[in-house]
Amino acid sequence: DTGVSQDPRHKITKRGQNVTFRCDPISEHNRLYWYRQTLGQGPEFLTYFQNEAQLEKSRLLSDRFSAERPKGSFSTLEIQRTEQGDSAMYLCASSFSGEMNTEAFFGQGTRLTVV
Amino acid sequence: QQPVQSPQAVILREGEDAVINCSSSKALYSVHWYRQKHGEAPVFLMILLKGGEQKGHDKISASFNEKKQQSSLYLTASQLSYSGTYFCGTVPAGGFKTIFGAGTRLFVKA
Repeated sequence: DTGVSQDPRHKITKRGQNVTFRCDPISEHNRLYWYRQTLGQGPEFLTYFQNEAQLEKSRLLSDRFSAERPKGSFSTLEIQRTEQGDSAMYLCASSFSGEMNTEAFFGQGTRLTVV
Repeated sequence: QQPVQSPQAVILREGEDAVINCSSSKALYSVHWYRQKHGEAPVFLMILLKGGEQKGHDKISASFNEKKQQSSLYLTASQLSYSGTYFCGTVPAGGFKTIFGAGTRLFVKA
């Protein structure tokens, strides 16, 4: 396994368009997280899944954002009607949940630019 | 809810030591430390799970004071490769998601 992979690495879109990003976690990891990171800031939590269940979604996330993990493996993050404020790096991370928290491994991210 | 990191930035000469602090207003279950280089994903450094726990590998170590809800990352005899932004991530008691601080930018010069 080569780690967490995200696709695409870069996306430029016009304001108002919809975009979808994909994340493939490390295969044995049952937890998957989406974060957003803007320049000079730490990763900001968006949502997370345990297997296929979306257990938490940030209140900062508007209704334009939706995430899925249909079979408990890969996940998609969709942004509808993109706005310039959506421009950021979108990071996916995965971890294995046992009796204790374990470290999360991040993908390389998808850099979104809304023009 | 976001942990507070200090200092915001550090400039070191190679071989010098540094301490980065992370504090939370909430009771914590664990603290995670990551390093991120420009244009790259955050890379996991270590996780601390118990109050008073200390961990370390090579010349980077960390402590976690559960009662004070604080953690510190210690970098000794810094190397040029230590340059980057260090983030602490905190997991609240009873929670699962990691909340990250704003980061501490570390620059090591020769």
